[in-house]
Amino acid sequence: DTAVSQTPKYLVTQMGNDKSIKCEQNLGHDTMYWYKQDSKKFLKIMFSYNNKELIINETVPNRFSPKSPDKAHLNLHINSLELGDSAVYFCASSQVMGNEQFFGPGTRLTVL
Amino acid sequence: SQQGEEDPQALSIQEGENATMNCSYKTSINNLQWYRQNSGRGLVHLILIRSNEREKHSGRLRVTLDTSKKSSSLLITASRAADTASYFCATGERGGYNKLIFGAGTRLAVHP
Repeated sequence: DTAVSQTPKYLVTQMGNDKSIKCEQNLGHDTMYWYKQDSKKFLKIMFSYNNKELIINETVPNRFSPKSPDKAHLNLHINSLELGDSAVYFCASSQVMGNEQFFGPGTRLTVL
Repeated sequence: SQQGEEDPQALSIQEGENATMNCSYKTSINNLQWYRQNSGRGLVHLILIRSNEREKHSGRLRVTLDTSKKSSSLLITASRAADTASYFCATGERGGYNKLIFGAGTRLAVHP
């Protein structure tokens, strides 16, 4: 069974559209994260949720809105997509913040 | 700004040789972690070393941590072609929410 899964794996869309990426973990972890990896492979944290509560919001534009319906899910909705949003987005989870994190396979978002 | 910075950016070696990657960081940390990323995949946790530890081993991996120099090294012994990947260090910030901050990674190529 996949520990951390994301859908879709690839997402190609036009500027201005709204899209969502879904993430689920079956590890029973309390903490989930969204990261953005740019074309130079820099990996930067965007959000972190602990027990469905937003803990970290790293100066991400308001167009990005995470939603955690329960501890096992953390979805990312992006409004009014821009060219600069093109990147690979990773979901991750951990039992405790700051400890070992388990990553999903990533969602490659391409904005045309 | 990025907390961890890996050195070298890229490393090319032959199978059987050892590979050493270095990571420097700037602030106080609770722990330092190393992750591997195969092309097109998510990150996989390799090893975690706490700020009060100086060395840790896991199989062919050896990690050292020098908090006085704010640096860490990852040694992969007897490398294999399957070790070809990008390797990232991530520092768990002391204070705040203990978020992880990733470096830009070292791209390792192991040639048969």
